[in-house]
Amino acid sequence: LAKTTQPISMDSYEGQEVNITCSHNNIATNDYITWYQQFPSQGPRFIIQGYKTKVTNEVASLFIPADRKSSTLSLPRVSLSDTAVYYCLVGDTGGFKTIFGAGTRLFVKA
Amino acid sequence: DTEVTQTPKHLVMGMTNKKSLKCEQHMGHRAMYWYKQKAKKPPELMFVYSYEKLSINESVPSRFSPECPNSSLLNLHLHALQPEDSALYLCASSQVGGSNTGELFFGEGSRLTVL
Repeated sequence: LAKTTQPISMDSYEGQEVNITCSHNNIATNDYITWYQQFPSQGPRFIIQGYKTKVTNEVASLFIPADRKSSTLSLPRVSLSDTAVYYCLVGDTGGFKTIFGAGTRLFVKA
Repeated sequence: DTEVTQTPKHLVMGMTNKKSLKCEQHMGHRAMYWYKQKAKKPPELMFVYSYEKLSINESVPSRFSPECPNSSLLNLHLHALQPEDSALYLCASSQVGGSNTGELFFGEGSRLTVL
């Protein structure tokens, strides 16, 4: 399983764009990159998933360079309610061994 | 229905008690998971069931005993726990095969305190 490395924490202000980068140097050919968000005392929630280039949905964008050794989660115009822990995961979607890395604590200030 | 329901939300038990955590989903998912999460740490995988059969046990102590009685239900039986087992226990489910993206759907967790 590919190991992931993320910043431990980040601070931002409301209305700013936040970019969280994840390193996964040992990503395998079959691996997808998935991001989850977790609020205190709740289960993680799927945000976005991608394999290469750029993926966008209603809450975030995911940028993946050609070598796929890193990825960047982009949250446009964050609000106080985006304060949470964000986890980057790398793995084969056909497997079950979904392992969470340390995550990034994002704190959004007014 | 995209919910995973966990009961109870809170549980306090002594080290000699026997209790169970329950998890239910009606999304037709055939993979179900138990994770354990300590404060300010990421969720740690404990068990995975696929088609009601145990497929992954991450070397979890035998005082934790999982059970998958049918495709919608997942239990975690607890016996002779230690105070260090106090944590948030998360259940999740996912599709298997086909158009599976590997997305996990989590419940809100059961907060366990062992005295």
